[in-house]
Amino acid sequence: TQLLEQSPQFLSIQEGENLTVYCNSSSVFSSLQWYRQEPGEGPVLLVTVVTGGEVKKLKRLTFQFGDARKDSSLHITAAQPGDTGLYLCAGASGTYKYIFGTGTRLKVLA
Amino acid sequence: SAVISQKPSRDICQRGTSLTIQCQVDSQVTMMFWYRQQPGQSLTLIATANQGSEATYESGFVIDKFPISRPNLTFSTLTVSNMSPEDSSIYLCSVSPSAIITFGSGTRLTVV
Repeated sequence: TQLLEQSPQFLSIQEGENLTVYCNSSSVFSSLQWYRQEPGEGPVLLVTVVTGGEVKKLKRLTFQFGDARKDSSLHITAAQPGDTGLYLCAGASGTYKYIFGTGTRLKVLA
Repeated sequence: SAVISQKPSRDICQRGTSLTIQCQVDSQVTMMFWYRQQPGQSLTLIATANQGSEATYESGFVIDKFPISRPNLTFSTLTVSNMSPEDSSIYLCSVSPSAIITFGSGTRLTVV
C-alpha cells in the first residue's frame, strides 16, 4: 500500500513567518499535486509537479519535487491569515489514481 | 475539465440502514474514484470504479460494505451499507482523465 506522510500534522504560526510542509513516501510517483482545502469546501489544486528536482513558484508558495520523485515540499514565505487551511499532497499512482497525503493543518494568526 | 454532479449533498441516516450516493460526469471517463474524508482528516481512496468490471478496492475497504456500480462511462454509485456512526464522513467521487483531479461536491453523511 502506498503511503504519503506529511509533516508537520499541525502548524500554528504568526503572520509574516515562513514555513515548510513536507510530503514523504517510499514509493515513486509519476506526478505530485498540492491542494489546499478550507472547511466545508472541496480541495483546490495549487500546483502539479512532474519532473524530479522540479521547483515551481506560485507567488509566496514554492513547491519542490524530490529528485527521486518520492517526496515533495511546500514552502510559504511571509504567511498570511488567508493561507490558513488544510494542505494536502497527492501522488499519482498508475493511470491517474491519486493517493492523498495525511494532511497538514495550518493556522496563521494575525 | 470535467464537471461532476454528486447527490445527495448531505443526509442523516439511522444506523443499520444503507445510503446510495450517485455521481454523474458530463463526459465519458474510463475510471472514477471514490474517496472518504473523515472529520478533520485527509482523503482516503476507497475504490476505483471501471466500467464493465468489478471495482478495485483499497486496503481496508470491502465490496460488502461499499458496493459500487459503474453501468456506463458517465455514471457511478457508491453504497454505504449497514451504517454505523463510524461511517459519518464526507464521501467524494472524482475523475482525472487528464491528470487534473475533478471532485464532485461531496456527500456529508451523518449516521445517528
